[in-house]
Amino acid sequence: GDSVTQMEGPVTLSEEAFLTINCTYTATGYPSLFWYVQYPGEGLQLLLKATKADDKGSNKGFEATYRKETTSFHLEKGSVQVSDSAVYFCALNQGGSEKLVFGKGTKLTVNP
Amino acid sequence: KAGVTQTPRYLIKTRGQQVTLSCSPISGHRSVSWYQQTPGQGLQFLFEYFSETQRNKGNFPGRFSGRQFSNSRSEMNVSTLELGDSALYLCASSWRPFERNSQETQYFGPGTRLLVL
Repeated sequence: GDSVTQMEGPVTLSEEAFLTINCTYTATGYPSLFWYVQYPGEGLQLLLKATKADDKGSNKGFEATYRKETTSFHLEKGSVQVSDSAVYFCALNQGGSEKLVFGKGTKLTVNP
Repeated sequence: KAGVTQTPRYLIKTRGQQVTLSCSPISGHRSVSWYQQTPGQGLQFLFEYFSETQRNKGNFPGRFSGRQFSNSRSEMNVSTLELGDSALYLCASSWRPFERNSQETQYFGPGTRLLVL
C-alpha cells in the first residue's frame, strides 16, 4: 500500500538556521503531496501542497518540490524562527477519497 | 468563517464504556473525515463521509463507527473502549471529496483527546 517516510526527529536548530526535513513516498500513480504542521495542543494546519510532478508548494517561507523521479517532497526553509517550533507531517492523497496517508511526523524545536 | 469544531475537547472514560465524538464542519463543507493520532501509530485514517454516505473506511475494528447528518455534522462512536483507544481524534472537512490535481483542501479541527482508564 501507499506509505510516507519522514526523517526521524527531533530536529533542534538555532534561529535563522536552514531547515530541511526529508520526505519520500511509495505510491502507485500520481498522488498529491502535502505538508501539514501541528502546533502544541492544536490540530493540523495545511502548510503547503503540490498536486503534480515538478510543482513547488510554498507558504510562510517554507517550500517543497514534488520530485517524481526520486519520489520525494522535502520541506525547506531558509531561516527558521522560534515560532516555527512544531511537528511537521508529510502526507499523500491518491484522489477520489479524502484519505491522507501520513508520515510519522518530525518534531522541530528552534532555539533563540 | 468559523473553523471545524469538535466536541468535547477532552474526555475520560473507563474500559468497556462507549463514547461519541462530534464534529461540525466548516459551513458549506459536505465532506468529513476522521483520523486517530497516537504516539505509536501516528495519524491513521478512520473513515470519511460525504452527503451522509460513508465513502471509505480505514483498517479499524467494527467497534469504531460513524455517521453524518443532513447538515453535514458528523459523529463517531467507539464501543467497548480499550486502553489502546486512548488517542487524539481529529476531524477534517472539505467542500467535496478530494480529486486528483484539484485545489481542494481539508481543514482540520483541534481534535478530541480521549483517555481510557
